[in-house]
Parts: sequence; C-alpha cells; structure tokens
Amino acid sequence: SAVISQKPSRDICQRGTSLTIQCQVDSQVTMMFWYRQQPGQSLTLIATANQGSEATYESGFVIDKFPISRPNLTFSTLTVSNMSPEDSSIYLCSVEDGGGNQPQHFGDGTRLSIL
Amino acid sequence: AQKVTQAQTEISVVEKEDVTLDCVYETRDTTYYLFWYKQPPSGELVFLIRRNSFDEQNEISGRYSWNFQKSTSSFNFTITASQVVDSAVYFCALSEAIIQGAQKLVFGQGTRLTINP
Repeated sequence: SAVISQKPSRDICQRGTSLTIQCQVDSQVTMMFWYRQQPGQSLTLIATANQGSEATYESGFVIDKFPISRPNLTFSTLTVSNMSPEDSSIYLCSVEDGGGNQPQHFGDGTRLSIL
Repeated sequence: AQKVTQAQTEISVVEKEDVTLDCVYETRDTTYYLFWYKQPPSGELVFLIRRNSFDEQNEISGRYSWNFQKSTSSFNFTITASQVVDSAVYFCALSEAIIQGAQKLVFGQGTRLTINP
C-alpha cells in the first residue's frame, strides 16, 4: 500500500490564525480525502481533493474555512482558516487508487490544538 | 442515508479473553463495502479488513475474525486470546456510493477496547 506522510504531525496554534497541513504520497493515487476527528469522536469526511479542480466538500464544510489544494496525483494540502478552539481535532488524509480495488489508507494524522 | 452503529462505546477485558466488537449498518445500496480500522493511542488509523457486500464468507486472520451477516446487517469483529497490544479504538465503516471510482467512508462512533494485563 501507499506510504502517506502528513506534516505537521501536531501543532498548537493561536485562535484566529490559519494552518496548512500537507499530505504527501509515495505513489500516484487517484483519490485523496481529508477527514476530521474531533476529540473522542469518530471520523467525518471534510472533502474529496480533486486533482486539477476544486475540492468537493461535504455538508457542513465550506471552502472558505477549509481550502484544499491538489496540484498533482501525489500531494494535497488542507488549510484550516481563522481557527477557533472548536477546530481542535485530528485531521487525517486518506488515499485510494480509484476503482475501489484497494481500500482507503490513512496518513498518521495531524493533531491540532487551538488556544 | 448510510449509517454505522457501534453500540459498545468501551470494552475492558483481561488479557487472553476473547472479545467481540459489534457493528450494525444501514444502507440502501446493494453494492457496498464494510471496513474495520484500528486506531492505537498513537493516533494513526490502521486498515484491518474490507469486505464486499456480496461476500458473506467469514474471514480469519490470525487472532482476528470477522462475521458478516447480511440478514442482520452486521459485521462483527472478534479478537481471540486478546493481548495488551490490542488496546485501541476500533472503527467500523461503510462505503457510500462510489464517486469517480472511489469510496466515501461513513464511520461508526468507535469502540474503545482496553486489554488489561
């Protein structure tokens, strides 16, 4: 399976600031996704990162708050904008080689705390 | 809409005991996938198994086994002879309709499993 690297692994940020999380894969993948896991909660899909076009956001998530880039088939970024304590979560990148032939694999996550 | 229910929020057993984690799902799709992931304290999400909706055969992998019953919409996970290293949060997930050839996952709330020495 693909090796997925997320940076940073954790960060503590001040409210009102923004942070960009990077997801790098060691091979080209068709699909990349971003999930949020709030403390003690399950994972919720934020958006599908589309290569060369705007991301597809799930209900409750908007581009202004969570802008996503995917410039190529091995890399994506998620920015958490104008952060508040409610944004304190683990953010996870996942990848899948399209067609459903392989299961989704996840990066190690970025543990984000907002003061 | 798709939904996954893991009714057991927390389970605590003594090492070497067998333990079963329950997962019940709801979907209108006839074709779907079911998954189990493990999240140890370090936080990463580790893939354990994926099962196609057309394949109801039970699966065994070492101390792990999975029982898929379409009639009851359940996909339960059993760990035999549990070990302390099995302590983690376990998530059951269901794929939503495939988009662009990929699967959007809907996760259950997770079951926190603690294995005590």
